[in-house]
Amino acid sequence: NAGVTQTPKFRILKIGQSMTLQCTQDMNHNYMYWYRQDPGMGLKLIYYSVGAGITDKGEVPNGYNVSRSTTEDFPLRLELAAPSQTSVYFCASSYWDKGSGANVLTFGAGSRLTVL
Amino acid sequence: AQKITQTQPGMFVQEKEAVTLDCTYDTSDQSYGLFWYKQPSSGEMIFLIYQGSYDEQNATEGRYSLNFQKARKSANLVISASQLGDSAMYFCAMRESSFAGFQKLVFGTGTRLLVSP
Repeated sequence: NAGVTQTPKFRILKIGQSMTLQCTQDMNHNYMYWYRQDPGMGLKLIYYSVGAGITDKGEVPNGYNVSRSTTEDFPLRLELAAPSQTSVYFCASSYWDKGSGANVLTFGAGSRLTVL
Repeated sequence: AQKITQTQPGMFVQEKEAVTLDCTYDTSDQSYGLFWYKQPSSGEMIFLIYQGSYDEQNATEGRYSLNFQKARKSANLVISASQLGDSAMYFCAMRESSFAGFQKLVFGTGTRLLVSP
């Protein structure tokens, strides 16, 4: 299994441009998430999805959109990029960890986005 | 609202020594879960250990253990016999809600651990 795959790893955008961060997982997980991590900070939830066709806002959804047409894919769309969206973006999905008895988030490698 | 506090921005430890990373939390829920994740300089987030609020025993996973003190609302991570590869950012997180597998995590700001030879 590849796990959670994010593309691109790095991207520089100009103010006002649009782009989509791709996320795909091959573990058949129903639950997927997008987080952002600002420098020196923890992760904040942008959007999440509990299954294909179902998405909901997290803590910091403004300026972003998501869709979930399949179980595998959960793309994050930035419509009008702003400098405040400069961050590292993590996609994640949940799995049941038998050892700990917890539903654990497994993360992608991250996408570093800079808006100039 | 739930909140996670990590008061140590940075910690230093010598190789082979033990180190404790602090985490306190605030919640009014009776059922909750606490996680620790490691973020090496390469950037990925790696799950280390989990403690459920109803678990009577402290969680352990190899060299990692979670010192869970419910009354004090603390969930400190203890790393025994530190290794150079333990140098990383460490995040404490709490699940905000959970049903049928869905996890919404609230993260602390992290502690950067440096292990010296």
